[in-house]
Formats: sequence, structure tokens, C-alpha cells
Amino acid sequence: EAGVTQFPSHSVIEKGQTVTLRCDPISGHDNLYWYRRVMGKEIKFLLHFVKESKQDESGMPNNRFLAERTGGTYSTLKVQPAELEDSGVYFCASSQDRGSYGYTFGSGTRLTVV
Amino acid sequence: QKEVEQDPGPLSVPEGAIVSLNCTYSNSAFQYFMWYRQYSRKGPELLMYTYSSGNKEDGRFTAQVDKSSKYISLFIRDSQPSDSATYLCAMIGTGGYNKLIFGAGTRLAVHP
Repeated sequence: EAGVTQFPSHSVIEKGQTVTLRCDPISGHDNLYWYRRVMGKEIKFLLHFVKESKQDESGMPNNRFLAERTGGTYSTLKVQPAELEDSGVYFCASSQDRGSYGYTFGSGTRLTVV
Repeated sequence: QKEVEQDPGPLSVPEGAIVSLNCTYSNSAFQYFMWYRQYSRKGPELLMYTYSSGNKEDGRFTAQVDKSSKYISLFIRDSQPSDSATYLCAMIGTGGYNKLIFGAGTRLAVHP
């Protein structure tokens, strides 16, 4: 089966611009997660979708970040306007159920805000 | 204080060595413990998971959890150059939703 796909793999934008990251989960996976790793820090949870519903968005840093999952398939994460501190690697992951044994991650989108 | 502490390394060992990677944590609610491996420019890949205390073995890898000490370990036997990667511990508490709490990751280099 195809894995979790993220694009773009790398994005460089200027401060104040808008960027949209996309994640295609494994087909049939209802649970979709966004995480990010900023320079020198741990990977941190952003939010969790179950199908099209936001189950937990406690990790979203501020209202410049908007995540959507229309139709319960792919998800987008929009940053508007981007700030320098938003630079980092954004990972998407999916799982079929709320199994406690972890999930499948994508390769991430490396975002650089200059 | 971080919920999960992990020495970032780097750790450099010769091929064939036994590698020991460790994490400590502060939240006694953590119930599920995982180890992920991450190669450069890739996403984390699940290696091992354990529930509560005990040991679990899978080939050259052994995961140990000691909940009384809030300490988890991953041992790699007969390490290979292909094991060179960043190893991340991760934990899930109770309460549902499976939000992973990661350690910082330990960079491992196995040299021939």
C-alpha cells in the first residue's frame, strides 16, 4: 500500500506570505495527525483529525495555523501569514484506528521562512 | 521540565557493538511506549512498542520499560552501519486520542 504522502517536500517562503501544506494519508485511515519539529526541539503534536472532524487541536500554536480535512481524505495545513519561527519540518501521520501502537508518518515538509 | 528526556548524542559505535538508548519521563500516566527510527530527510518509522512495564524483543532489538523508575530503553545487538539514524522515544498517556509525546531523539552512527 502507498504510504503517507506529503507535499511539497520543501518550501521556502518570505515572512508574511501564505503556505499550504498537503497530506494524503494511507487509504482507509480515519485518523490523521499533524506534528512539527522546529530547529533544535522535539517533534510536537499539532492536531488530530478523525475523518473530517478535529478531535484534538491543542497543539496548534496560534490562529495563523488552519488545518482542514474536507471529506475525511487528504488534509491541508495553511500558515497565514508565515513568521520566521514557523520554520521547521511538518510531519503528517495516519492510523486506521486509535490503536496505541503508533502510526505511519510521512517524510515531512521542510518549511523555511525567510 | 520536559515530559520526556532523551540524550541527543551523537553516539558513535563500531559495527557489531551493543547499543543502549534511553529515555526518562516524568508523567506517570504514560502507558504506551514506542521507539521510532528516523533516517535523514525521512519521517519517523515505528520500530518497537510496549505497553506498561516489561521487555519486548524483535530480532536484534529489545525494548525495556521500567515504569517504577520512569525509564525506558532500546537495545540494539550486533549493530550495523544501516542502523545509523536518529532514534526517538515516544509515549502516549491515557485519555484517548493517542497524542505522541516525543523525546529529542538520539543520533546514532555505526561505523564499519
